[in-house]
Formats: sequence, C-alpha cells, structure tokens
Amino acid sequence: SQTIHQWPATLVQPVGSPLSLECTVEGTSNPNLYWYRQAAGRGLQLLFYSVGIGQISSEVPQNLSASRPQDRQFILSSKKLLLSDSGFYLCAWSVQAGGDNEQFFGPGTRLTVL
Amino acid sequence: GENVEQHPSTLSVQEGDSAVIKCTYSDSASNYFPWYKQELGKRPQLIIDIRSNVGEKKDQRIAVTLNKTAKHFSLHITETQPEDSAVYFCAASSSYKLIFGSGTRLLVRP
Repeated sequence: SQTIHQWPATLVQPVGSPLSLECTVEGTSNPNLYWYRQAAGRGLQLLFYSVGIGQISSEVPQNLSASRPQDRQFILSSKKLLLSDSGFYLCAWSVQAGGDNEQFFGPGTRLTVL
Repeated sequence: GENVEQHPSTLSVQEGDSAVIKCTYSDSASNYFPWYKQELGKRPQLIIDIRSNVGEKKDQRIAVTLNKTAKHFSLHITETQPEDSAVYFCAASSSYKLIFGSGTRLLVRP
C-alpha cells in the first residue's frame, strides 16, 4: 500500500533562517506531488505541484521554492523565513494522468516562525 | 484563475439533524469533485467524491449531488453525530490540480 511521510512534524524557526521540509511517498511510481500551506483556521493554499522529476509549477510567488530530486521525493525550501510563513504545511500525492484523482495528504509539518 | 466558492463558512446543527454544504466552481472542464474532512490538527481525508458522469452518490449518511449545468455541487450529511464536527472542504479538478473551497466549520451540538 502507499504511504506518504513528512518531516519534521513540528518546527520552530527564527525570522530570516532557512527552511527545508521533506516529503516522500512509498508504494507508487510517477506520482503527482503537491505542497500546500494552511494558515491557522484557514483553507488550503496550493504552493507548488510537480508532475515529474525536475518539473515544478509554482502557484503563488513568494520566498519559497520546491524541488523534486527523485521520483517520490518533494522538498520545500526557503532561504529566509518570514513571519507570514508560519502555518501547517501539507504534502500530497495523486496518481499520474491529470488532476482528476484523489489526493492523499501527508501528516503535515507545523511551522512556527518567531 | 479557476475558483471554487464554498458556503456556509460555519454551520451549527443539533445532533440528528441534517447538514448541507454547497460549492460552486468556475472551470467548465472540471470533472472530479472530492470532499475532504479535516479534524483539528489532522490532515484532510477524503470522505466522498463524484465524477461528472454521475449526478448523485451516496455512502451511508453522506451524499453528494452535482449539477454540471449550474456548476454546483453539494454535500449532505444526515443524522449528524458529534463526531461529524470538523472542517469540510470541497474541491474541483482543474488541469493537474484540485481547486479547494475555503472550508466549512461544522459543529454538531449534542
């Protein structure tokens, strides 16, 4: 069966520090991968998605970036965190072939920027 | 860009009553409409979905209806229970993505 992992589970970082969040998927090949951010009490904001290795689509211009160095690995990064980067970061995957399939979410990383 | 509007933002019902959440979407090419439930501090999880070739789908106390002409779809929960209390998100497919609504916080009062 397929599983999706995210780490770390929680993170407290000072403003201006770098960020690296990792997401890996097991049990499937060539998944579509997604990064979302959820501010406290708010909805799901799509940040990036990838339909293949090295292919990244950005949805919201900001100080974050994403990379997909391997088929089942998706990394979210920042060189300098802002206070507004605080939130619940969720990685998700879906089977290939379009976006008309269920997305499976990881357990999330709760980021607090102080 | 493509958009999904979801109403109401909050909904409070008495245990045993029904709850209805409505969404409208803008992308006429959307053909997949999932509903996710998110409990506090947890990840969203799919509770039901519907594809554009079907007008209604039911799973025990949960049902979803779709009107493609009007670009509307709705979630119906019958005989609500306290454990149904959560945030519910609708979504519509668009290209390689799901466009999510802003969420409905459902509170079921015992």
